Amino acid sequence: DSGVTQTPKHLITATGQRVTLRCSPRSGDLSVYWYQQSLDQGLQFLIQYYNGEERAKGNILERFSAQQFPDLHSELNLSSLELGDSALYFCASSRGVVEPQHFGDGTRLSIL
Amino acid sequence: GNSVTQMEGPVTLSEEAFLTINCTYTATGYPSLFWYVQYPGEGLQLLLKATKADDKGSNKGFEATYRKETTSFHLEKGSVQVSDSAVYFCALSDGQAGTALIFGKGTTLSVSS
Repeated sequence: DSGVTQTPKHLITATGQRVTLRCSPRSGDLSVYWYQQSLDQGLQFLIQYYNGEERAKGNILERFSAQQFPDLHSELNLSSLELGDSALYFCASSRGVVEPQHFGDGTRLSIL
Repeated sequence: GNSVTQMEGPVTLSEEAFLTINCTYTATGYPSLFWYVQYPGEGLQLLLKATKADDKGSNKGFEATYRKETTSFHLEKGSVQVSDSAVYFCALSDGQAGTALIFGKGTTLSVSS
């Protein structure tokens, strides 16, 4: 158990819809990362927050957004969903910004 | 840009065989290097890491040495077990470009008894 909690584990929805994925980092970790894992693109970094502030952006679409709340949990919002957004979305956390990242078990998003 | 290249899988071995999974990288500066493992239905677990040239990371019988001259970080284990069957990811973090991980495509290892 990594200590990183992601909910829900599975999400099935339709094209055009909007979903919210939630992540609770390990106790004491200030940095949260979001990654997308798909068969064609592999594991790709989406966005990072540190202590409530956005710190880095990767290949995140404009339809996607995220935030980190004062209690340090984070949410990833995906809107206007397309079939190609079907993937496994991972959250990871670390103590600071240079320590190793610890991953949650992911949320599997299926778009029908 | 920064990138990681892993050997294509799947790798199929018998129990107690020697394992090597090749990983090479391209990066500016001095990246930190990692191996993560993903068991079926689970998230990624950090297996080992190295933060500077010639460092050797090790854990659970797995080892990898940070070779700057060959830009490589190959994963090795002397005697694999069935329980080692998983997907292995090589990754780098370039502190100059941020601390997000850049992953290779992963190598599936299947060990039979």
